Amino acid sequence: GAVVSQHPSWVICKSGTSVKIECRSLDFQATTMFWYRQFPKQSLMLMATSNEGSKATYEQGVEKDKFLINHASLTLSTLTVTSAHPEDSSFYICSAYQTGTGNTEAFFGQGTRLTVV
Amino acid sequence: QQQVKQSPQSLIVQKGGISIINCAYENTAFDYFPWYQQFPGKGPALLIAIRPDVSEKKEGRFTISFNKSAKQFSLHIMDSQPGDSATYFCAASKEWGGGGADGLTFGKGTHLIIQP
Repeated sequence: GAVVSQHPSWVICKSGTSVKIECRSLDFQATTMFWYRQFPKQSLMLMATSNEGSKATYEQGVEKDKFLINHASLTLSTLTVTSAHPEDSSFYICSAYQTGTGNTEAFFGQGTRLTVV
Repeated sequence: QQQVKQSPQSLIVQKGGISIINCAYENTAFDYFPWYQQFPGKGPALLIAIRPDVSEKKEGRFTISFNKSAKQFSLHIMDSQPGDSATYFCAASKEWGGGGADGLTFGKGTHLIIQP
């Protein structure tokens, strides 16, 4: 299957700082990428839908000014957690949607563990 | 409001046994029902998926059973092995592949342990 790579795999940051997480589709172009958040032993919750070249669409309750999403190319979307606080500590997972190949499937990255101290 | 309800929350099965996980959905607009397997610290990986016009799909030891009228679907893992121990999520989407505007709606997950 197609490969989606997230970087970094884990990050520890101080409260009040910003952290950028990258999501790359390595062998296909993704016009749409999704960002999910997963708390320990919980399900994945969709945060936002990222479309290449346009503004992201955020789910209800997700602060767009805190979670900045940029999808500048067909292979890269970034999520920046601004002014991070301990409650933002979570597992962030992206998925990229492969289109135009007849095999439309959302592939997931390996996730990024964010710990805010 | 949770749109996809998954049970049980945790499940212990003996090696060689059958693991069964159930899900129920409410939104009849859903058109894609995948199951994902997730190991600790990793992203979910697609196991198997089905459309609502099919009642059953089998891939190796994994089978999805789908009941459209009851709005329920289940995952059966035959000859369960210790390597199958993981968290399993059912999901649903309005678009095949899970890439539609609303993405995937996930169940809460089932922590499966296969005892040797």
